[in-house]
Amino acid sequence: ILNVEQSPQSLHVQEGDSTNFTCSFPSSNFYALHWYRWETAKSPEALFVMTLNGDEKKKGRISATLNTKEGYSYLYIKGSQPEDSATYLCAFAGGTSYGKLTFGQGTILTVHP
Amino acid sequence: DAGVTQSPTHLIKTRGQQVTLRCSPKSGHDTVSWYQQALGQGPQFIFQYYEEEERQRGNFPDRFSGHQFPNYSSELNVNALLLGDSALYLCASSFGTLRGNEQFFGPGTRLTVL
Repeated sequence: ILNVEQSPQSLHVQEGDSTNFTCSFPSSNFYALHWYRWETAKSPEALFVMTLNGDEKKKGRISATLNTKEGYSYLYIKGSQPEDSATYLCAFAGGTSYGKLTFGQGTILTVHP
Repeated sequence: DAGVTQSPTHLIKTRGQQVTLRCSPKSGHDTVSWYQQALGQGPQFIFQYYEEEERQRGNFPDRFSGHQFPNYSSELNVNALLLGDSALYLCASSFGTLRGNEQFFGPGTRLTVL
């Protein structure tokens, strides 16, 4: 059974704070790591698809890093805004899984004005 | 571009009944995957359809079945509903089945089994 773990489970920060959370995944048979943002009552929105060890991706104030050898990825949000409040999900795609994504349980971020 | 659409939005059924959920993929996409999200958990992979065939399946019983139509839209059928089938059912579409392909999700169908 594949284990994809995210920490923390939830996070409360003040507007303007920078924050980060972690996704841990199996380091063997790695193919890709996906990050999604999921706002309440909306569809999950793809943020990044990361495939290379050491990869760093950025989208506005959000960035992510990937370490496939040790099996973790970090998601960073710089200068959090209330509109960043959402559940952030990571999903692992393994070597034999074709399009199957194995998701973590998510990190719920709440940004207070 | 309407993105991925799902119907219905909400559904209430009783134990033992059967249910069909529908998904239309994003324009240009040919692959549809279905996920179940129970409360407090991340989405769990049910199965994936490509070229009208089930290509991969997660750890779900045979009560869960699906279909993909020539226009790439898809249905998820669940027979003999159990209370534990209450969940949000998400559909995701992509172009091709490659593991690194970005998957676009619909808003989900909330199924409640009483």
